[in-house]
Parts: sequence; C-alpha cells; structure tokens
Amino acid sequence: GAVVSQHPSRVICKSGTSVKIECRSLDFQATTMFWYRQFPKQSLMLMATSNEGSKATYEQGVEKDKFLINHASLTLSTLTVTSAHPEDSSFYICSARDPRLAGKGELFFGEGSRLTVL
Amino acid sequence: AQSVTQLGSHVSVSEGALVLLRCNYSSSVPPYLFWYVQYPNQGLQLLLKYTTGATLVKGINGFEAEFKKSETSFHLTKPSAHMSDAAEYFCAVSDARAAGNKLTFGGGTRVLVKP
Repeated sequence: GAVVSQHPSRVICKSGTSVKIECRSLDFQATTMFWYRQFPKQSLMLMATSNEGSKATYEQGVEKDKFLINHASLTLSTLTVTSAHPEDSSFYICSARDPRLAGKGELFFGEGSRLTVL
Repeated sequence: AQSVTQLGSHVSVSEGALVLLRCNYSSSVPPYLFWYVQYPNQGLQLLLKYTTGATLVKGINGFEAEFKKSETSFHLTKPSAHMSDAAEYFCAVSDARAAGNKLTFGGGTRVLVKP
C-alpha cells in the first residue's frame, strides 16, 4: 500500500515558540492530505483538509491562524503550530489519499507526531 | 452528516477467545466503512474496508467484518484473540459518492488481551 511518513515523531518545545510538522507521501502524489488531532485516549478529530496549491479547508472551531497548513507540493504538507501553548500538546496525525485509488475511500496515515509544549 | 458509534470504549478478552467490536454508523448516503488499528504512539493501519460487493469482508491479522445495511452496523470480529491484538481500534465511515474521502471516526475501542 501507499506510504505516508511524518516528521518529527516527537517534539518538545517551550511555550510561545512555533513548531513545524511535515507529512510526506513517499510513493504517490497526494493532491489532498488531512490533518487530525488526537487527545489521550480519545478518537481522531479532523482539523483541516490540505489541498495542493490552494488554501487549506479548516473544520469548525479550528483556528487557522494557530494551525498553519501549507501544501506546496504533491508529496509534502506541513502543519505549523504557531505560538504553541501547553493546551496544544497532543498527537497530530496526517493522512493522504492516493489518487490511483480514487473512489475507494481509503486513506493512508502517517506515524503521528507527539507534541509536548512546556 | 455521518457519524459512527462504537459500543464499549474498552474490551477485555482472554487469549484464544472471540474478539467482537461493535460499530454502528449513521449516513444518509451509501457509506464506505473501515476498521483501523492503532498501536501506542503510532499512526493508523487499515485492517479492512467495505466499499461495494460482498458484505462480509476479510482483513489482515485474521479479522473480518460484516456490513449489515438493515442494522447500520459493521461489527469487527476475530475468532481467536492473540496477545498482539492488544491495541486501539477505530471504526470509520466516509461518503461513497464524495471525492473528498473525508473520514469520520468512532470513539475507539481499546482491546486488552489477557493471557
């Protein structure tokens, strides 16, 4: 199956700093990627849909100025948590749709990135 | 709008026993249904999916699920639990007609396997 990779897997930062998480599709071109957030022992919450070459579509309640998403190429989307605070600490997971499987609905997920804000 | 309900946030089974994880969905359009597994501090791995055709779907690691439209269910089963099955399991639904493939997840069920 298609492979999606995230980096870094773990990051610790100080409050007020910005952190960038990368999501790459390794063996396919992803026109659309999705960013999820997962709190401990909870389900995944969709934050935004990242579209290559255009602005991301954010879900209701997600601050677009806080969580900057850039999808500059067909294999890379980045999530930048700006001016991070302890409440932003969470597990962030990206996923991508392989256009070769269009219509089959399956998404491929990265390994996740655990952010801890001190 | 679509939604997914997973009955039971935690399930404890003995090694060798049947694993049954329940999933009910709500969708006004034909659904695609998925089961994913998540191990600690990792992303999600697809176990199996239903798109069209046969309603009994077989996946990896001996899991299978049956799509029952009349019951709006997609329960996941495995005849004999293994210690390595201890993980978090998520049921998800998407709109079969939509190109966006946006997934809606259930709350998850954590499986504990006792020796």
